[in-house]
Amino acid sequence: AQKITQTQPGMFVQEKEAVTLDCTYDTSDPSYGLFWYKQPSSGEMIFLIYQGSYDQQNATEGRYSLNFQKARKSANLVISASQLGDSAMYFCAMRYNTGRRALTFGSGTRLQVQP
Amino acid sequence: ETGVTQSPTHLIKTRGQQVTLRCSSQSGHNTVSWYQQALGQGPQFIFQYYREEENGRGNFPPRFSGLQFPNYSSELNVNALELDDSALYLCASSPATDLNTEAFFGQGTRLTVV
Repeated sequence: AQKITQTQPGMFVQEKEAVTLDCTYDTSDPSYGLFWYKQPSSGEMIFLIYQGSYDQQNATEGRYSLNFQKARKSANLVISASQLGDSAMYFCAMRYNTGRRALTFGSGTRLQVQP
Repeated sequence: ETGVTQSPTHLIKTRGQQVTLRCSSQSGHNTVSWYQQALGQGPQFIFQYYREEENGRGNFPPRFSGLQFPNYSSELNVNALELDDSALYLCASSPATDLNTEAFFGQGTRLTVV
């Protein structure tokens, strides 16, 4: 069974600084995808970034980058130049590429950006 | 291209009642998944529909059921509501043929059972 662990219930960061949100996962399947979503107070899950298990390079999307360490089974999200609008819940999720293609989510990290 | 829309946005029901939540998937997406997100937790997978058939189910009892229609919109039905069913219910759509594509989520339906 797949499992996602986010050990930081809450994080604070100063505006314009970088922050790393931790995510570790557990799976025995070699083919999977890792996702990060942002959930503002409105409730909608907003896709941020994707990393495939066979991707050789770390994924980047604008100010978001994913620090993928396959041997350690970690997929940390790095947000550079934090903005006040980045304050939200952040969820790491995993999906197998075979069989049931549902997302398994971690418990989330609440990020608060301070001016 | 329209996004994923869910209705209603908020709902209050009494324990023992039945509820139907609706989801319109993003244009061109033939796979719809439903998730339950209790307060302070991550979303939990309920079930997934692909081309009108259930294509996987999480650890939820049979009183949670669903439908997908030919236009790929979907319904989530919950019978005999319990207080613990109070949660945000999220619908997500994706094109099943592209495994690397993210799921697009609706804004959710917040259900309160009293």
